[in-house]
Amino acid sequence: GQQVMQIPQYQHVQEGEDFTTYCNSSTTLSNIQWYKQRPGGHPVFLIQLVKSGEVKKQKRLTFQFGEAKKNSSLHITATQTTDVGTYFCAGPGAGSYQLTFGKGTKLSVIP
Amino acid sequence: DAGVIQSPRHEVTEMGQEVTLRCKPISGHNSLFWYRQTMMRGLELLIYFNNNVPIDDSGMPEDRFSAKMPNASFSTLKIQPSEPRDSAVYFCASSVLAGGGETQYFGPGTRLLVL
Repeated sequence: GQQVMQIPQYQHVQEGEDFTTYCNSSTTLSNIQWYKQRPGGHPVFLIQLVKSGEVKKQKRLTFQFGEAKKNSSLHITATQTTDVGTYFCAGPGAGSYQLTFGKGTKLSVIP
Repeated sequence: DAGVIQSPRHEVTEMGQEVTLRCKPISGHNSLFWYRQTMMRGLELLIYFNNNVPIDDSGMPEDRFSAKMPNASFSTLKIQPSEPRDSAVYFCASSVLAGGGETQYFGPGTRLLVL
């Protein structure tokens, strides 16, 4: 079945440093989505990428979708303590209605 | 607009007891998903419904777990009998399905502890 892998599993950064998490799918994706889960909270949708090579920005967050539509990345510039949480990527399963979630990257920001 | 509503938010029970988790999806959403989240296994899809019909329950761990969606605005996930290894956060999510893989909106979760 489809697999979505994320690395790293954990990342500790000093406040102000940059952060990147990578997502790789075993199959080509029609779209890829990113979610953020704050500690003690629930996953919240951040963004969806659809086109090959697409790049989208949300303030300090930059999302990329690979040319082959099998990988994606999330980059945060100058992290802040409000960025703490777990970031998940998710892609639709082939021919199904569900999303396959990666295991997430847990970001800790040291003030 | 209200988001996905789950109840209870916290549940502590003893092994062997029946546990029922409830979910109200966002109005107008036609698909509903139940997930379980643990540190060890991450976010696991248990079952999902489309137009109140169960589509894929392959993620349901065993016969002790059952889920129903009697109408478009209500779903339950039942564990009977509960075991300590069922302790986890259970999320319900809903979406509007068109071609597949649409954005999912998660509820706040039910934190279940089985003693």
